[in-house]
Amino acid sequence: NAGVTQTPKFQVLKTGQSMTLQCAQDMNHEYMSWYRQDPGMGLRLIHYSVGAGITDQGEVPNGYNVSRSTTEDFPLRLLSAAPSQTSVYFCASSNLDTQYFGPGTRLTVL
Amino acid sequence: AQRVTQPEKLLSVFKGAPVELKCNYSYSGSPELFWYVQYSRQRLQLLLRHISRESIKGFTADLNKGETSFHLKKPFAQEEDSAMYYCALRRGGYQKVTFGTGTKLQVIP
Repeated sequence: NAGVTQTPKFQVLKTGQSMTLQCAQDMNHEYMSWYRQDPGMGLRLIHYSVGAGITDQGEVPNGYNVSRSTTEDFPLRLLSAAPSQTSVYFCASSNLDTQYFGPGTRLTVL
Repeated sequence: AQRVTQPEKLLSVFKGAPVELKCNYSYSGSPELFWYVQYSRQRLQLLLRHISRESIKGFTADLNKGETSFHLKKPFAQEEDSAMYYCALRRGGYQKVTFGTGTKLQVIP
């Protein structure tokens, strides 16, 4: 039981490049979410999903896309990276009681 | 809209001193409150929930609906308590969680 896994752990992009951050969970949770963590701003919700095929926007969705084709996977896509997207990204899945977080992806956009 | 406020970015205390990490929230309905902790180089993990009314690692938190607060307390700080602490709110019946900006607790030996 791996819990929530994220890949890659680190990534450096140039402005304008695109990439996908991967997130997977093996706990059969319906709810999954993506956050970004920035100093002094805490965790801000980017997108979330309440089940396969259902996604919705969080607080800071601009510049990010998501899809949820399976219960297990919830990838986050950056279409055209910008320096403002330099951050640590956390994926989480949850049951009714608790959110379980992945280890994070540290992204730097030059 | 729901909001969680953690007024202190950094809280430094000496080992053995009491700790209180403040959390205030704004939400008109019945909220569920949580404290999450992130130790250095580790992922965020749940510390405690107000529903369970339990003590974890010596920490307790009481939901005060009158003052809309959910402060985290520990009578005697330990060095291993040094970490980033986040207060979080979830609307009853929903999964979406709102986090505060976090408080870094530094326990001085």
